[in-house]
Amino acid sequence: GAVVSQHPSWVICKSGTSVKIECRSLDFQATTMFWYRQFPKQSLMLMATSNEGSKATYEQGVEKDKFLINHASLTLSTLTVTSAHPEDSSFYICSAKQGGPSYNEQFFGPGTRLTVL
Amino acid sequence: AQSVTQPDIHITVSEGASLELRCNYSYGATPYLFWYVQSPGQGLQLLLKYFSGDTLVQGIKGFEAEFKRSQSSFNLRKPSVHWSDAAEYFCAVVLFGNTGKLIFGQGTTLQVKP
Repeated sequence: GAVVSQHPSWVICKSGTSVKIECRSLDFQATTMFWYRQFPKQSLMLMATSNEGSKATYEQGVEKDKFLINHASLTLSTLTVTSAHPEDSSFYICSAKQGGPSYNEQFFGPGTRLTVL
Repeated sequence: AQSVTQPDIHITVSEGASLELRCNYSYGATPYLFWYVQSPGQGLQLLLKYFSGDTLVQGIKGFEAEFKRSQSSFNLRKPSVHWSDAAEYFCAVVLFGNTGKLIFGQGTTLQVKP
């Protein structure tokens, strides 16, 4: 149980285009999903926290107009990288958890490799 | 400032040798503590976690970790490393009462020599 999928697993796009990444909880309802960004050989940096039915909360320094997050249902959150540029190339990982404000284990997706040419 | 520190960026051990990966945190209270493993190009897998109680925690794949409040540490150990353990290891914390946001350390790359 507790499987999180991401689609696509990798994507290559041209500079200036937009890319949408999906994060799905396959066997549980995720009230909260998190989006992380990871550069090569570096740690995961939290970009935003997404709660179902409400606006995402972005971390300091993350452009909300650049990285659009939608958590439309209890099993799906999407990250759209708008007007992508080469510096947006990175590994994007989502995680999902059940429950309310208290901690519940996060389950991670396999990640999406974005390359912007 | 609140932080999670993994002092060792890269560690190389021989197969069959013991392993210890260090993790220190800097918070006013005891957070929830985690160790994750990441294989190249993959997501994260939870190895073990500590919330409270017994300070020696057993995890998957033969890993264990010990919480030491006096040292603000949560070091990961394995008595005998296998070649398949080569990966990136991340220590992480969640603050009690927080929204559940994970704060990650910088990561330690483990290389295993045959």
